[in-house]
Amino acid sequence: AQKITQTQPGMFVQEKEAVTLDCTYDTSDQSYGLFWYKQPSSGEMIFLIYQGSYDEQNATEGRYSLNFQKARKSANLVISASQLGDSAMYFCAMTIISNFGNEKLTFGTGTRLTIIP
Amino acid sequence: GAGVSQSPRYKVAKRGQDVALRCDPISGHVSLFWYQQALGQGPEFLTYFQNEAQLDKSGLPSDRFFAERPEGSVSTLKIQRTQQEDSAVYLCASSLLGSGGSSYEQYFGPGTRLTVT
Repeated sequence: AQKITQTQPGMFVQEKEAVTLDCTYDTSDQSYGLFWYKQPSSGEMIFLIYQGSYDEQNATEGRYSLNFQKARKSANLVISASQLGDSAMYFCAMTIISNFGNEKLTFGTGTRLTIIP
Repeated sequence: GAGVSQSPRYKVAKRGQDVALRCDPISGHVSLFWYQQALGQGPEFLTYFQNEAQLDKSGLPSDRFFAERPEGSVSTLKIQRTQQEDSAVYLCASSLLGSGGSSYEQYFGPGTRLTVT
């Protein structure tokens, strides 16, 4: 079974500063994918970034980057130059990649990020 | 193009009533997932469809929960004899059948908030 651990229930960050949200995972599978989703107060889940277990480079998407440390089983999200609109819940998730589909996601408990003006 | 839609957005049911929650996935998406998100928690997997076939229902909490996707597009999650512990947001997500990279991304609907009184 897979497990995602997010140890920061809440974080407060000054606007324009960078922020790192922690995520560690546990799996015995070799082929897997790691995701970060943002959930604003409106409730929708917004995809931010994806990292495959065999990807050698850390994923980047605009202001988002994923600090992937495979040996430590960590997949931290880094948001550069934070904005007020970044205030939301952030979920780390993983899936096991197989030839049979069913890439169901296992989520962590989330981190509530609040950006202070 | 249109995203994943869900209806109703809000549902209040008296304990013991049956409810039906609808999901319209993105056109052409083969995979469809249902998740349950309790207040303050991350989403938890309920069931998975590949086209019309329900390939994984390991996350359904009891036999009161039933899901179908008869024509491989729209899906319905039915909860019989609702209980207070069924109160949660029910999220539907769809994706292309995994073919590498961020195509594993799941696109989420806005969710249905179910309150059982």
